[in-house]
Amino acid sequence: EAQVTQNPRYLITVTGKKLTVTCSQNMNHEYMSWYRQDPGLGLRQIYYSMNVEVTDKGDVPEGYKVSRKEKRNFPLILESPSPNQTSLYFCASSFLPDTEAFFGQGTRLTVV
Amino acid sequence: DAKTTQPTSMDCAEGRAANLPCNHSTISGNEYVYWYRQIHSQGPQYIIHGLKNNETNEMASLIITEDRKSSTLILPHATLRDTAVYYCIATRPNGNKLVFGAGTILRVKS
Repeated sequence: EAQVTQNPRYLITVTGKKLTVTCSQNMNHEYMSWYRQDPGLGLRQIYYSMNVEVTDKGDVPEGYKVSRKEKRNFPLILESPSPNQTSLYFCASSFLPDTEAFFGQGTRLTVV
Repeated sequence: DAKTTQPTSMDCAEGRAANLPCNHSTISGNEYVYWYRQIHSQGPQYIIHGLKNNETNEMASLIITEDRKSSTLILPHATLRDTAVYYCIATRPNGNKLVFGAGTILRVKS
């Protein structure tokens, strides 16, 4: 089954404790990206990757890092999480620029 | 990306067609119209997209006006499971970024 898998689905952490949210897709997609969703602000792109070792900033990259060492994986790294990064996070992938994007089920992160 | 305007919410009776409008009057010639939906904080789900011709798939139909300034997503026989937020997006096909607005909350009622 074609899917984008995120882990963990839920996470509560403390300020400053480094964490990684993993994202993996099994569709051999070249394009992957991360979004965060906040009430009243909608979905906003954090980072995206056009292929292995090619990443670029989205609209809200501050406080986040990503890497793309393999085509299937695109982890989101929070080096020093802060409470304003409490949000619902989604990973997405797509094969070609004009084809559908597949989204993961989301990771609900709370930073206290 | 062209700005899109959608109604805040709509109701539809179960079994009836749901017609969701979207205005994109500033759309440029190479921008596609995409529709996604999001069911209760799950990941957005792709529905359909088109450039200028009407499109149909197993989920829905997309009707784009001849001047391309507006479109309508049609769910032919809405069910309770179609209750969701529906997003209309006008964008160049770059695969990198989708700009989601507030969308339309569709409530399907029995």
